[in-house]
Amino acid sequence: AQTVTQSQPEMSVQEAETVTLSCTYDTSENNYYLFWYKQPPSRQMILVIRQEAYKQQNATENRFSVNFQKAAKSFSLKISDSQLGDTAMYFCAFLNYGGSQGNLIFGKGTKLSVKP
Amino acid sequence: DAGVIQSPRHEVTEMGQEVTLRCKPISGHDYLFWYRQTMMRGLELLIYFNNNVPIDDSGMPEDRFSAKMPNASFSTLKIQPSEPRDSAVYFCASRGTGSGNQPQHFGDGTRLSIL
Repeated sequence: AQTVTQSQPEMSVQEAETVTLSCTYDTSENNYYLFWYKQPPSRQMILVIRQEAYKQQNATENRFSVNFQKAAKSFSLKISDSQLGDTAMYFCAFLNYGGSQGNLIFGKGTKLSVKP
Repeated sequence: DAGVIQSPRHEVTEMGQEVTLRCKPISGHDYLFWYRQTMMRGLELLIYFNNNVPIDDSGMPEDRFSAKMPNASFSTLKIQPSEPRDSAVYFCASRGTGSGNQPQHFGDGTRLSIL
């Protein structure tokens, strides 16, 4: 069974600085997708960024980028120029592509606080 | 475009009462998921549907929980009878088919409090 581990329950960063959130996963599959979701205090679940396992190039979305290390099964999220609005819970998630194409497996989340 | 719509946004009820949570997925999406989020257990998948058919309900905690999807635009999650330990935020999510990286789009959740 696939598992997703986020080893940092809480992190903080100063506004305008860069922060990296860690995520590791365990799978025997070769084709899969990885996601980072953001959950602000309003509790919405917002997709931040996605990565296809077959792509070597790391995904980027404006200030958000990932460092995808397939061999190490690592998928970290880097937030550059942190803003107060980035304060939220961040969840790493895994989707096995193939089979039932079913559900996301989520990590426990990292609570990020951006300080002025 | 309208996102996933859940109702109610908040529900407070007494133990033993029946609770019904509702979800309208994004039009055209053929996968629908129900999740429960608590501090202790994080986000847990309860059940998901594909083309209105339940595919995996192994996350449904017990017989008090049931979910239906009578058509492509509506799903319910019912708890009967409710217990205080059911208090949580319940999310509905949907996604389209095709490439497997179609992201799941989440509703705003229902915060359920059982007294």
